Amino acid sequence: AQSVTQLGSHVSVSEGALVLLRCNYSSSVPPYLFWYVQYPNQGLQLLLKYTSAATLVKGINGFEAEFKKSETSFHLTKPSAHMSDAAEYFCAVTLGTDKLIFGTGTRLQVFP
Amino acid sequence: DAGVIQSPRHEVTEMGQEVTLRCKPISGHNSLFWYRQTMMRGLELLIYFNNNVPIDDSGMPEDRFSAKMPNASFSTLKIQPSEPRDSAVYFCASSLGRARLSETQYFGPGTRLLVL
Repeated sequence: AQSVTQLGSHVSVSEGALVLLRCNYSSSVPPYLFWYVQYPNQGLQLLLKYTSAATLVKGINGFEAEFKKSETSFHLTKPSAHMSDAAEYFCAVTLGTDKLIFGTGTRLQVFP
Repeated sequence: DAGVIQSPRHEVTEMGQEVTLRCKPISGHNSLFWYRQTMMRGLELLIYFNNNVPIDDSGMPEDRFSAKMPNASFSTLKIQPSEPRDSAVYFCASSLGRARLSETQYFGPGTRLLVL
């Protein structure tokens, strides 16, 4: 059965520091993986997705994620955090042809 | 495009009352999803439709919850009777629904429900 695990419910970084949000997946078939971001009082919006075309996926707002099959991971990174990156980030894996299974989320705080 | 539209944005009601949440998906999208988000349980899929037909309602908590999609541009989620434990943010999302594993879901702004 497909699932995702996000390590760390809260991550704090200083402005300008590297952002690393962890996601590990479990899937019995080649997975399709997503990162969504949720800003306060808003819905989720897609940051990036892995569809097997390339293992390094670039998304919006300078974020990227690398699919590592050997580690069953799809960690999200950004070289330099900005105050506007403060939000909750969700990793998700496709279940079937339409459904997504979301992780529990990681709240990112950025300090000046 | 206006994106996924949900109404109301906020709802406060008393226990036992009926609550109806509304959603207008993005035009041309064939799949529609209802999610519930709480601190305790995170983001849960309640039900989803494809071409107006309910495909999977296994996430609907109990018979008090019902969802309909009478046409391609409108869906409702109804709770009757409501209970305090139903307090949550309810999201509607839509996708092109082409049965592709890489399909992106587009979320509405959510309805924040408080049942007193």
